[in-house]
Amino acid sequence: GESVGLHLPTLSVQEGDNSIINCAYSNSASDYFIWYKQESGKGPQFIIDIRSNMDKRQGQRVTVLLNKTVKHLSLQIAATQPGDSAVYFCAGMNTGFQKLVFGTGTRLLVSP
Amino acid sequence: DGGITQSPKYLFRKEGQNVTLSCEQNLNHDAMYWYRQDPGQGLRLIYYSQIVNDFQKGDIAEGYSVSREKKESFPLTVTSAQKNPTAFYLCAGAGGIRQPQHFGDGTRLSIL
Repeated sequence: GESVGLHLPTLSVQEGDNSIINCAYSNSASDYFIWYKQESGKGPQFIIDIRSNMDKRQGQRVTVLLNKTVKHLSLQIAATQPGDSAVYFCAGMNTGFQKLVFGTGTRLLVSP
Repeated sequence: DGGITQSPKYLFRKEGQNVTLSCEQNLNHDAMYWYRQDPGQGLRLIYYSQIVNDFQKGDIAEGYSVSREKKESFPLTVTSAQKNPTAFYLCAGAGGIRQPQHFGDGTRLSIL
């Protein structure tokens, strides 16, 4: 089966720094990945997605990098702000399957 | 406002009681999903539906039931057979299988 996991349970950064949150997956057949942000007491909020035919995708202040060779993806947040403090989840989907598999999350703490 | 609406925000269940969690969407999404979230864990899939009048079991369907009589609605019933129902329940919708899932703000279920 598929497993998706995040490298660190907590990441602490200073306001204005760039943040990098990492995620590893086990199944080389995974072909679609999504990053979510979840604030306390709320549902996950879609940030950005990437398909396996891409290595990089950029959004507003965020970049997702996909390395299929080592089955790793990362979320980079530029100029991190206090409002970015939340738990970040990666999720992956396999070719031929119809469900997302979620990692356990990394809590991002941004201090002023 | 468009989106996924879950109600109630908080719900309490008595021993031996069935309770139903509501999920409504006005995004015209074909696919809808129910997840359970426990502290320190990722989201786990309970049930999903890709089309009206059809649904499939996810990874942890035991003790739960769903219906999909209308495109807009995907209610989840937590039955008395679910012995550990205390959790945060999240409903999501998506325009297709490899499209981002968009979440509601959850229902927190506790046992009295």
